[in-house]
Amino acid sequence: DVKVTQSSRYLVKRTGEKVFLECVQDMDHENMFWYRQDPGLGLRLIYFSYDVKMKEKGDIPEGYSVSREKKERFSLILESASTNQTSMYLCASSLWTAGNSPLHFGNGTRLTVT
Amino acid sequence: AQSVTQLDSHVSVSEGTPVLLRCNYSSSYSPSLFWYVQHPNKGLQLLLKYTSAATLVKGINGFEAEFKKSETSFHLTKPSAHMSDAAEYFCGASGGYQKVTFGTGTKLQVIP
Repeated sequence: DVKVTQSSRYLVKRTGEKVFLECVQDMDHENMFWYRQDPGLGLRLIYFSYDVKMKEKGDIPEGYSVSREKKERFSLILESASTNQTSMYLCASSLWTAGNSPLHFGNGTRLTVT
Repeated sequence: AQSVTQLDSHVSVSEGTPVLLRCNYSSSYSPSLFWYVQHPNKGLQLLLKYTSAATLVKGINGFEAEFKKSETSFHLTKPSAHMSDAAEYFCGASGGYQKVTFGTGTKLQVIP
């Protein structure tokens, strides 16, 4: 079974702090994704990566950056956290195929910015 | 570009009665379509996927979905709801690079 592990279940940070959210997958998947989930808005894609050191902007990249130095690890970085970044963050991975490979999700990190 | 619309934010059914969760998509090509379920404090789990083979797709836990190109719909159904089906359900459509666009979700309540 694919396992996607997000290092923190809950995080509380102050406005202006630099925040790192870590995600590791154990199935050698090429693709990795960061989504944020907000009530009434569903899941929105922040960034994704289809290879080491490669990254692509999703639908809402502003205020975020990512890092993928190793295939199994994909980090989401909030350069200067703001209260509107309080949300549930979900990491996912998938195999590199032609559009029909399902996403495997971690259990999420609930971030509160005060 | 693609978009996904889940027509109901909340659905309430009695245990043992049918479930219908509605999803419409918009895409300039034939996308792959998915349904995921999220139980409280958990990530999303794949229920089923459509990838241009059979239009009626069977998934886990007795769920199935029918792809109707003429209606651009991919509704999720189950003949008989169980209490354990209470969760939030997300419809998704994928294009290039496995990028999945999700709907806003439907919370399913099952009444005993």
